[in-house]
Amino acid sequence: DTGVSQNPRHKITKRGQNVTFRCDPISEHNRLYWYRQTLGQGPEFLTYFQNEAQLEKSRLLSDRFSAERPKGSFSTLEIQRTEQGDSAMYLCASSRQGGGFTSPLHFGNGTRLTVT
Amino acid sequence: ELKVEQNPLFLSMQEGKNYTIYCNYSTTSDRLYWYRQDPGKSLESLFVLLSNGAVKQEGRLMASLDTKARLSTLHITAAVHDLSATYFCAVNLNQAGTALIFGKGTTLSVSS
Repeated sequence: DTGVSQNPRHKITKRGQNVTFRCDPISEHNRLYWYRQTLGQGPEFLTYFQNEAQLEKSRLLSDRFSAERPKGSFSTLEIQRTEQGDSAMYLCASSRQGGGFTSPLHFGNGTRLTVT
Repeated sequence: ELKVEQNPLFLSMQEGKNYTIYCNYSTTSDRLYWYRQDPGKSLESLFVLLSNGAVKQEGRLMASLDTKARLSTLHITAAVHDLSATYFCAVNLNQAGTALIFGKGTTLSVSS
C-alpha cells in the first residue's frame, strides 16, 4: 500500500491560466474523490468517481472545473481560467468498494494551488 | 443543507488533562468519521462510527456517536504533546455515502 499520490505538490499560476492536477489512488481502490480545502476550513467535496464513471459533482464544481478518470485508475482535475478564489489545497482520496461506503477515505498529501 | 459543527474550534490543553471535542450535525446520518490532520500533512482516518451508541477507542482517544442527538464526541484522556493536531469530524451527505461533509476542525495544542 503506497498510499494516494498527488502531483504536483505545489502549483503557482497566474490568473487566467489553466492548471491540471493528477491523482493516483491506492491500487485496489475503485472509488476516487476530489476535495478542496482552504485555510482554517474542513475539506469540501468536489466530485466522486466509481471506476471511470463520475457519479457525483458538487455545486462547487463550476464549469471551469473538469475531472476525469479515463481508465478507472488515475484521475485528473483541470481548472480552466483560474481565479484567485481557486487558491486552495486540492485533496484526492480513494476508498475500496464494499462495506456499504463505510470504508474510510484515504487522502493524498494534496496539491497546493496559488493563483497570483 | 447538511451542516456539521465542531466545538471548540481551538483547544489549548496541558499534558495529562482530559477534554472532549463535540461534533453536531444537522440532518439524519448513520455514520460519522473522525480524521486527524497534522500541519502541512494530509488527513488520517481515526474512527468510523456506524451506528447509534457506537464507541471506539484507540490509545488516548475515544469516539462515540449518538444518532438521535446528532452528536459525536471525541474524548481525549491524559493528553500528550503528540496529540497536537487538527481533528475533523465528517458526516455522509447522502444515503449513498459518497460525499462527506466536514466540520471546520478543532485545532488541539498540548503543552507541558
